Amino acid sequence: DQQVKQNSPSLSVQEGRISILNCDYTNSMFDYFLWYKKYPAEGPTFLISISSIKDKNEDGRFTVFLNKSAKHLSLHIVPSQPGDSAVYFCAALRNSGNTPLVFGKGTRLSVIA
Amino acid sequence: DSGVTQTPKHLITATGQRVTLRCSPRSGDLSVYWYQQSLDQGLQFLIQYYNGEERAKGNILERFSAQQFPDLHSELNLSSLELGDSALYFCASSVQRTDEQYFGPGTRLTVT
Repeated sequence: DQQVKQNSPSLSVQEGRISILNCDYTNSMFDYFLWYKKYPAEGPTFLISISSIKDKNEDGRFTVFLNKSAKHLSLHIVPSQPGDSAVYFCAALRNSGNTPLVFGKGTRLSVIA
Repeated sequence: DSGVTQTPKHLITATGQRVTLRCSPRSGDLSVYWYQQSLDQGLQFLIQYYNGEERAKGNILERFSAQQFPDLHSELNLSSLELGDSALYFCASSVQRTDEQYFGPGTRLTVT
């Protein structure tokens, strides 16, 4: 039973345009959400997070939006750059830091120059 | 560089064998987490240790075990290996909170 779902295995975007990566979750107890980025032959690295008390968090080119009623979050990258090409994992947890992270399967983003 | 080290980088072994994966956390981090990433799967949480004690358990098979030593490094032992155990195994560490994890580069295990 997948509690965190990333339904798009891959996404291709032109350089300079917006990339939108989506994530859905089923467990209403999740109260903290994170995005990780993974390059080949490396471990995932933390990108951005959002608490359930917010609906938006922005960090430079990266913005995460949370829609609690729809149990949906999205990561926007604007403008997209070739170096953004990687696999992006959505993750969620309960109790804001005291339970294991639950990851989605990831979306492979390719930014084409 | 996250500061988390994992050895070996690659491991090829036969079915039925036993292997040990090693993880050294970032300096000062007390928690260690193990994850498995199989083909087309997300990261599946296996187990967490905090300061030497098991803190949380995920989808870890009975054939797998882990421990965290007094110097805080951790080992994941995989025994009676099957073809389906072929995967990337990641270790992550944090000071305490699970939302501040730093991942190592992973160990790629191939079971033939």
